[in-house]
Amino acid sequence: GENVEQHPSTLSVQEGDSAVIKCTYSDSASNYFPWYKQELGKRPQLIIDIRSNVGEKKDQRIAVTLNKTAKHFSLHITETQPEDSAVYFCAASKGGYQKVTFGTGTKLQVIP
Amino acid sequence: DGGITQSPKYLFRKEGQNVTLSCEQNLNHDAMYWYRQDPGQGLRLIYYSQIVNDFQKGDIAEGYSVSREKKESFPLTVTSAQKNPTAFYLCASSSAGDSNQPQHFGDGTRLSIL
Repeated sequence: GENVEQHPSTLSVQEGDSAVIKCTYSDSASNYFPWYKQELGKRPQLIIDIRSNVGEKKDQRIAVTLNKTAKHFSLHITETQPEDSAVYFCAASKGGYQKVTFGTGTKLQVIP
Repeated sequence: DGGITQSPKYLFRKEGQNVTLSCEQNLNHDAMYWYRQDPGQGLRLIYYSQIVNDFQKGDIAEGYSVSREKKESFPLTVTSAQKNPTAFYLCASSSAGDSNQPQHFGDGTRLSIL
């Protein structure tokens, strides 16, 4: 089955700096890669996603890049703010009704 | 997401007891999922259902059971066979079909042993 590895497990950055979280996946058939943000005690919420026919996607301060050959994808947050502090999960799936495999999460702390 | 309702928010289980966690969605989604979340281990899939009256085991199904009698409901029973049930349980749903769609999560149920 699919295996998703996520690094780092914790990340501290100064407010205004950039943060990068990296994930690798094992199944070359995976074609959908969502990223979720989970604030303490709350539900995970989708922040951005990318499909395998696209190499990069950006939404304001958040961007995701995908390298299908190397089977890795990354989340980039620029100009970080204290409200970006949360746990971020990457995930991979083969789409349709297939199950989604999540990474183990990255706890991001933005220091004011 | 107001479209997915999990109840109760907190649940306590006694030794040898089965407990059922409720998950209801009004998003008209075909697929529903149950995840277990432990600190530092991300989200692990327990069961998922792609259509009414059908469901599949996920990665950690032992000690759990589910049913999918209605499209909007996907209850999870934590049986006495699950020896370490203390965790945060999340239900999710998604519309699928031809294109990939994200999962929408409920607010979760925190289960503890008395």
